[in-house]
Amino acid sequence: GAVVSQHPSWVICKSGTSVKIECRSLDFQATTMFWYRQFPKQSLMLMATSNEGSKATYEQGVEKDKFLINHASLTLSTLTVTSAHPEDSSFYICSAETSGVQETQYFGPGTRLLVL
Amino acid sequence: AQSVTQPDIHITVSEGASLELRCNYSYGATPYLFWYVQSPGQGLQLLLKYFSGDTLVQGIKGFEAEFKRSQSSFNLRKPSVHWSDAAEYFCAVAKRGGGNKLTFGTGTQLKVEL
Repeated sequence: GAVVSQHPSWVICKSGTSVKIECRSLDFQATTMFWYRQFPKQSLMLMATSNEGSKATYEQGVEKDKFLINHASLTLSTLTVTSAHPEDSSFYICSAETSGVQETQYFGPGTRLLVL
Repeated sequence: AQSVTQPDIHITVSEGASLELRCNYSYGATPYLFWYVQSPGQGLQLLLKYFSGDTLVQGIKGFEAEFKRSQSSFNLRKPSVHWSDAAEYFCAVAKRGGGNKLTFGTGTQLKVEL
């Protein structure tokens, strides 16, 4: 159990275009999902916390207008990178948190974004 | 603010040897504690977690970790390492109560020599 999927697994786009990444919890409902960014050989950097039915909470320094997050259901959160630039190229990972006791984050396989 | 320290950036062990990866945390109260593993180009897989109770926690793939409150540590161990264990290992903590951010350590890269 506790499987999280991401789509797409990798994407190449032109500078100035927008890219949407989906994060789904396949076998559990997640009120809270998280979006991370990971640079090569580094740890994960939390970008934002996504709460179902409400606005996302962004970490300091993360542009909310550039990284749009929508958590429309208990099993789906989306991250849209708007007007992507080469510096947005990175590995984006989402996680979904189980509810109730012993809340635990389960991670998706990640999405590799390359902006040309 | 809470922090997580993984003092070993790289560790190399021979296949079949024992392994211990260190993790220390700085937090006001005992947090939730986790170990995740990441293979290249992949997401993170949960190895084990500690919330309360028995301080020795068993996880998947033969891993275990021991919570030591007096040392603010949560070290990961495996008695006999397999070549497939080569990966990046992350220790993480979260505040009790849910909906809270994970604070990650910087990770330990494990290399296994055959």
